[in-house]
Amino acid sequence: DAGVIQSPRHEVTEMGQEVTLRCKPISGHNSLFWYRQTMMRGLELLIYFNNNVPIDDSGMPEDRFSAKMPNASFSTLKIQPSEPRDSAVYFCASTLAGTYNEQFFGPGTRLTVL
Amino acid sequence: DQQVKQNSPSLSVQEGRISILNCDYTNSMFDYFLWYKKYPAEGPTFLISISSIKDKNEDGRFTVFLNKSAKHLSLHIVPSQPGDSAVYFCAAGDPMNRDDKIIFGKGTRLHILP
Repeated sequence: DAGVIQSPRHEVTEMGQEVTLRCKPISGHNSLFWYRQTMMRGLELLIYFNNNVPIDDSGMPEDRFSAKMPNASFSTLKIQPSEPRDSAVYFCASTLAGTYNEQFFGPGTRLTVL
Repeated sequence: DQQVKQNSPSLSVQEGRISILNCDYTNSMFDYFLWYKKYPAEGPTFLISISSIKDKNEDGRFTVFLNKSAKHLSLHIVPSQPGDSAVYFCAAGDPMNRDDKIIFGKGTRLHILP
């Protein structure tokens, strides 16, 4: 049974380029979360969706970041233009909506912006 | 402003001894607490949780203690094993959010020494 799938696993890009991270949640899950992990800030929530609808995007750092969930099995996180300070590991997680159900995380995408 | 604080970035414990990881929180509305474990190059995985109506929850070698008056929780691992070496994240949920959003701490890296 496949878990949460993220692609790419590693991304190296130059400052100013557009970056798109992809996530496929576990089938049947209806909540999806995007997190960013850095040494300074730990694991911070960027945005989450419920039934494909964005519920809370207060964690999105700035307008350069955007996220979409066009259907129940796919979500993207886009950074345009990217900056060196965006370098981090980005995780996607999914769960079946219900108070504090266990979130299942993908393996993450390690982003390096030069 | 961190609502969930893990003040020890790292901890080293001898194999076979007890590991105690600590977590403090500032929001008195939090009513559910979770611990996640993360290995390198993998996403976090759920370990154990506790509701605010309890002060202790045990699962095998793992026990979480909650002290609501002190806004403090701790994870005890007894006995510690080499496979326990990982980063441990404390997380908390606010029922006022009425959804699955949880706030993570920065994590504590646990090293189990042979």
